Amino acid sequence: EAGVTQFPSHSVIEKGQTVTLRCDPISGHDNLYWYRRVMGKEIKFLLHFVKESKQDESGMPNNRFLAERTGGTYSTLKVQPAELEDSGVYFCASSRDRAVGELFFGEGSRLTVL
Amino acid sequence: AQSVAQPEDQVNVAEGNPLTVKCTYSVSGNPYLFWYVQYPNRGLQFLLKYITGDNLVKGSYGFEAEFNKSQTSFHLKKPSALVSDSALYFCAVRVAPRAGGYQKVTFGIGTKLQVIP
Repeated sequence: EAGVTQFPSHSVIEKGQTVTLRCDPISGHDNLYWYRRVMGKEIKFLLHFVKESKQDESGMPNNRFLAERTGGTYSTLKVQPAELEDSGVYFCASSRDRAVGELFFGEGSRLTVL
Repeated sequence: AQSVAQPEDQVNVAEGNPLTVKCTYSVSGNPYLFWYVQYPNRGLQFLLKYITGDNLVKGSYGFEAEFNKSQTSFHLKKPSALVSDSALYFCAVRVAPRAGGYQKVTFGIGTKLQVIP
């Protein structure tokens, strides 16, 4: 089966611009998660979708970040306007079972804000 | 709040020697524990998990981990390291869910494993 795919793999933008990251989870996985890793730091939780609903968005840094999952399939994460501290690798993960199942990660989208 | 500590930024081991990557955790309740590996320019891959039962769990690529409740640790081990094991290793924890409850997974900072030929 196809894994979790993320696009773009790398994005370089200037401060104040907008970027949209996309994640396609594994087919049949209702649970979709966004995480972020800033260089040398831990992987931080951003939010969790169950189908199209936001189960937990406690990790979203501020209102410049907007995540959507219309139709419960792919998800987008928009950063508008981007700031320097938003640079990092954004990982998407999906799972079938949110109780005990492991997460399946995409390769990440590296965002560089200049 | 739950947390994970990986006290070593990097672990160096000679090929063929046993390896250990350390992890300690803190949760309010019973833990579910995970290890993930990230190879260069790749996403994280699941290695193994502890949910309940036997404290020694075996996973992919010959790795195993031992859950120690008294020391709140979940160290990753392998009897004989391979050069191809060189990668970034992440420990993760979540609290066991109560009925209808939900808790997110918390990751550590990662430990770089370097296996020297």
